[in-house]
Amino acid sequence: GIQVEQSPPDLILQEGANSTLRCNFSDSVNNLQWFHQNPWGQLINLFYIPSGTKQNGRLSATTVATERYSLLYISSSQTTDSGVYFCAPAYSGAGSYQLTFGKGTKLSVIP
Amino acid sequence: EAQVTQNPRYLITVTGKKLTVTCSQNMNHEYMSWYRQDPGLGLRQIYYSMNVEVTDKGDVPEGYKVSRKEKRNFPLILESPSPNQTSLYFCASRSLGQNYEQYFGPGTRLTVT
Repeated sequence: GIQVEQSPPDLILQEGANSTLRCNFSDSVNNLQWFHQNPWGQLINLFYIPSGTKQNGRLSATTVATERYSLLYISSSQTTDSGVYFCAPAYSGAGSYQLTFGKGTKLSVIP
Repeated sequence: EAQVTQNPRYLITVTGKKLTVTCSQNMNHEYMSWYRQDPGLGLRQIYYSMNVEVTDKGDVPEGYKVSRKEKRNFPLILESPSPNQTSLYFCASRSLGQNYEQYFGPGTRLTVT
């Protein structure tokens, strides 16, 4: 199956700072999602981004599928950004689909 | 509102007492799946279903059963729970085809004593 590596595993930021989270994956994919797991455990969809770049407010993501990586950018971080960020690529084919989750990046934003 | 719902959200039970965690989605999605999340191990898929009456094992199916009698529902059954099934469980759904994202339910925190 697909191997997923996220870095860094832990990140502490001062409020207002910017950060880049990285996701490397081992095989060809045609699906990739980024999630934020908040301190209450809920998984929140951030981006569906199999390729290219998307932006949503202070967050943006870029996936370069040919080079097997994706990046999540957080600008002007806020305390509410704290939590764990997961990358989950997948290959979707006839009769098969499975998201494979990385181990996540734990982000702590301090005031 | 488009959503995936799970019940119960929290459950404490004892070893061997059968339980069912329900999952329902209102988006007419064909694909549904169950994951468990454990510290240090991330999210791992238990079972998935590509459509009604079509289910298949994920990476960690031992000790679990599922059924898909209706498109909207995908219950997870633990016939004889054990303490190593203490975990945070998520149900998810998506449309089939290449360009669709997966949506997750709010999670069920299960403790087996």
